[in-house]
Amino acid sequence: EVQLVESGGGLVQPGGSLRLSCVASGFTVTTKYMRWARQAPGKGLEWVSFISSGGATYYADSVKGRFTISRDNSRNTLSLQMNSLRAEDTAVYYCARDLAVADAQGYGMDVWGQGTTVTVSS
Amino acid sequence: DIQLTQSPSFLSASVGDRVTITCRASQAISSYVAWYQQKPGKAPKLLIYAASTLQSGVPSRFSGSGSRTEFSLTISSLQPEDFATYYCQQLNSYPQMTFGQGTKVEI
Repeated sequence: EVQLVESGGGLVQPGGSLRLSCVASGFTVTTKYMRWARQAPGKGLEWVSFISSGGATYYADSVKGRFTISRDNSRNTLSLQMNSLRAEDTAVYYCARDLAVADAQGYGMDVWGQGTTVTVSS
Repeated sequence: DIQLTQSPSFLSASVGDRVTITCRASQAISSYVAWYQQKPGKAPKLLIYAASTLQSGVPSRFSGSGSRTEFSLTISSLQPEDFATYYCQQLNSYPQMTFGQGTKVEI
């Protein structure tokens, strides 16, 4: 079964750091385009970070320079290192797999994790 | 940046109703538009991609259409399990993407 399971969320003070993990099953993360998205309480969805199968990374302007996306091939895991956290980073964070159609991209995300909650507060 | 505006933001409907949600882009985009359904406390679920292609396993009562700056999601006969929030998404500037603000469909 294709599945994503996130972990690592919690309460952190402003300026602190947190590392989120997303374990994949049923497929290999290094062969897919993967990303992190988030949803602040009562708000809509926001794309956060992306990594291609070749390792190219992209970040939303709101997190650029503070967040780092990476993969652990041995554990089939996607990670998000979050530094210099701010109150506005408070959200449920989802990892997701980009849908590929005939080896082409740009069709949305077809597999999502259940989400992990990050709260930034003193 | 391309902005997406969904309308309405809130929709009250009954079981069996035909429902249409519109998503307008701030500039002309290709057909790289997706639609998602999200229920409270759950992750979004992909319904439609490439503006009009039904994702595998999604009921045929869901359909998508549109081009350039105006796209729509239609539910032909609303079912009890369809009450949720719906989001459009543009991937014209892939891998960057943006979402609409959401449309909540309630009884």
